[in-house]
Amino acid sequence: NAGVMQNPRHLVRRRGQEARLRCSPMKGHSHVYWYRQLPEEGLKFMVYLQKENIIDESGMPKERFSAEFPKEGPSILRIQQVVRGDSAAYFCASSSDRVEQYFGPGTRLTVT
Amino acid sequence: AQRVTQPEKLLSVFKGAPVELKCNYSYSGSPELFWYVQYSRQRLQLLLRHISRESIKGFTADLNKGETSFHLKKPFAQEEDSAMYYCALSAGGGNMLTFGGGTRLMVKP
Repeated sequence: NAGVMQNPRHLVRRRGQEARLRCSPMKGHSHVYWYRQLPEEGLKFMVYLQKENIIDESGMPKERFSAEFPKEGPSILRIQQVVRGDSAAYFCASSSDRVEQYFGPGTRLTVT
Repeated sequence: AQRVTQPEKLLSVFKGAPVELKCNYSYSGSPELFWYVQYSRQRLQLLLRHISRESIKGFTADLNKGETSFHLKKPFAQEEDSAMYYCALSAGGGNMLTFGGGTRLMVKP
């Protein structure tokens, strides 16, 4: 089992561009979580998805951010019209039982 | 709303010394508590969870509901224990984790 995969590992975007972050969960895991880590802070929950459904998006900013987990393919976190404050590390985790979460290596987004 | 606090950003000890990484939480229900560890250049990984009551790599943590704490302890620190440690809480239903700000443990030779 390859573990949770995230790509790209590093992403640089100019202000106003779109950022797409991908997460492939571990085999057999149907629960996906996204977290954001701002510099010098802990991880903060953004969204929890199951296949084709958003279960909890209470941590997502109301504008510019969206997430999906289609029937086929990876989960995608999309940030439209990025701003400097979006610069952070974005982590994906997956779970088979909604209790133990396995984390990916993260995507470090830098907005210039 | 739940909250997790790790009061120390950095903890530095000598090899062989006891270690205690503090974690306090606030939550009105019955939480599930976890410790995650991130070694240099590696991904975040689960170290232990309170319901399993295991000892992993010599670390233990006891949930104290009276003091709302879940401190991580090890009697004799090793250099390979140097890492970032995060305390996390799951507020039932097995959904999102609420993380503390993390403590960097440095074990000096």
